[in-house]
Amino acid sequence: KQEVTQIPAALSVPEGENLVLNCSFTDSAIYNLQWFRQDPGKGLTSLLLIQSSQREQTSGRLNASLDKSSGRSTLYIAASQPGDSATYLCAVRPGNDYKLSFGAGTTVTVRA
Amino acid sequence: EPEVTQTPSHQVTQMGQEVILRCVPISNHLYFYWYRQILGQKVEFLVSFYNNEISEKSEIFDDQFSVERPDGSNFTLKIRSTKLEDSAMYFCASRGNGDYEQYFGPGTRLTVT
Repeated sequence: KQEVTQIPAALSVPEGENLVLNCSFTDSAIYNLQWFRQDPGKGLTSLLLIQSSQREQTSGRLNASLDKSSGRSTLYIAASQPGDSATYLCAVRPGNDYKLSFGAGTTVTVRA
Repeated sequence: EPEVTQTPSHQVTQMGQEVILRCVPISNHLYFYWYRQILGQKVEFLVSFYNNEISEKSEIFDDQFSVERPDGSNFTLKIRSTKLEDSAMYFCASRGNGDYEQYFGPGTRLTVT
């Protein structure tokens, strides 16, 4: 059974600092990995999707890397802003079906 | 941009009552999913649905749960007799044929009292 772990569980940084969020998964036979943002009490906003054949994906200030063999992904957020405060979830899609396995998330607070 | 919608945004019900959560997937999508997130816990897969039948379901999805596509646009999750532990945010997602990505709706917060 796929287990997805996110470390740290919470992170507080001053505005302008770069953020590094980690995700690890136990079964490397994945099809893709997705990063989501969740604001308190709200839905899931997809940020980046990395296919298993890719090493990284970038969107604006966001960059996600994937090392499938070691079961790790990292989300980098450059020059953080207070508006980046949210919970960030990673989710893994296995190679043989479509159900996503989610991590518990990293809750980020960016202090002005 | 097309999006998945869900109604209601918040539903309060008494224990033992039936609830139906509604989702309108993106119009040309063929694959549908329900997930739930109990407060403070991980998002968990419940069920996937394709071609008018369940493709896969988790251990959580017991006989109290059912899904239906009653018409060409809606996708529903029914809980027959709600329990306190069914209180959670329920997310619907849909995917097009050949798509890599599931697109999530904004969720329905279900509170069982």
